[in-house]
Amino acid sequence: EAGVAQSPRYKIIEKRQSVAFWCNPISGHATLYWYQQILGQGPKLLIQFQNNGVVDDSQLPKDRFSAERLKGVDSTLKIQPAKLEDSAVYLCASRQTGGAHNEQFFGPGTRLTVL
Amino acid sequence: ELKVEQNPLFLSMQEGKNYTIYCNYSTTSDRLYWYRQDPGKSLESLFVLLSNGAVKQEGRLMASLDTKARLSTLHITAAVHDLSATYFCAVTPRWEGAQKLVFGQGTRLTINP
Repeated sequence: EAGVAQSPRYKIIEKRQSVAFWCNPISGHATLYWYQQILGQGPKLLIQFQNNGVVDDSQLPKDRFSAERLKGVDSTLKIQPAKLEDSAVYLCASRQTGGAHNEQFFGPGTRLTVL
Repeated sequence: ELKVEQNPLFLSMQEGKNYTIYCNYSTTSDRLYWYRQDPGKSLESLFVLLSNGAVKQEGRLMASLDTKARLSTLHITAAVHDLSATYFCAVTPRWEGAQKLVFGQGTRLTINP
């Protein structure tokens, strides 16, 4: 079974530029999450989708961050404009509804550096 | 707001020694997870603890959960270098159902030969 795929793996941009990340969850997983992991910290949830609807985006900085999952499968996370403090690893995770232990499976992440 | 605290945050130990990582959380939870993260890599699931008194073991790692104390422990027995990594605990707040994970800060474990 293929895991959660993310691209790109690395991205370097200058502040005030825009950037987008892509995630393809495990096939059949209805729930998709985006986390931000700043160096030396645990992941922090940014947004959670159930199919193509948003369940929780309470910690998403909506003035600059946006995310969508139009067809209920792939998702994109966008930052516009980026700030220095956005430098982090962005992790995508997916979960099968009713799956064993409601376990989330994580992708490899996209490491963003904002200069 | 649910808070999850781990200690220690950094741990350097010698091979063959035993040690314990602690994870405290502030409110009632349905589930507690332990993950491992190697440098530059994603999160690998180690254990899922579902009920009070739950104990899971895999190799040299053993995790336990005390829901009354809101405490989980990850015990390392006779450590080997391959266990060097950062370990995270994560909790699902009960009022969120089974959907959201709140992570601790992580414990960076270094095992020296």
